[in-house]
Amino acid sequence: DAKTTQPTSMDCAEGRAANLPCNHSTISGNEYVYWYRQIHSQGPQYIIHGLKNNETNEMASLIITEDRKSSTLILPHATLRDTAVYYCIVRVQYGGSQGNLIFGKGTKLSVKP
Amino acid sequence: DAGVIQSPRHEVTEMGQEVTLRCKPISGHNSLFWYRQTMMRGLELLIYFNNNVPIDDSGMPEDRFSAKMPNASFSTLKIQPSEPRDSAVYFCASSRLAGDYNEQFFGPGTRLTVL
Repeated sequence: DAKTTQPTSMDCAEGRAANLPCNHSTISGNEYVYWYRQIHSQGPQYIIHGLKNNETNEMASLIITEDRKSSTLILPHATLRDTAVYYCIVRVQYGGSQGNLIFGKGTKLSVKP
Repeated sequence: DAGVIQSPRHEVTEMGQEVTLRCKPISGHNSLFWYRQTMMRGLELLIYFNNNVPIDDSGMPEDRFSAKMPNASFSTLKIQPSEPRDSAVYFCASSRLAGDYNEQFFGPGTRLTVL
């Protein structure tokens, strides 16, 4: 089972920041927080990951709370092409089955004009 | 790079027929994953390979499912005999490393319909 809890759906206005929350209260010390997204009819796409520090790349920012029990994915200027299902996943960063990606139901983000 | 390549993109078959799905991972990647996605069960890992060797096949639903990776650039997922409940989108993904952090790159998927 997925170790994360996400809202089922969210809306965001085009050009505004999209903030997607994720709860992972049972996260272990060696588990990372990963975000993937799946645009309709495509395979999932990696967005970003982090352990405890905030992370930023060209796609998004990841804010992890100090106790690591929750995180927020931020798309700074959402576009219509960001409409997708966003998955928050916790996993260890080494091999073996514990490192498998376990996808929950994710959050369906709808960016509206 | 062309990314992960899957074929066919769509497959329609009749119950009882054999189905073979194909995957070409990204060159240089040495881990390969097969997933299945349905509305009811979401995205599930079926099996994964490291360096062409199956590591974990606990997600394979039944003996009707089998997967092979004869070399680093090719893998197949076979269903024999197929059943209507096997209808799903099957994704193949590959990654660079077997152990440490590895971003999985997904293919476009094969949409399988078993009538």
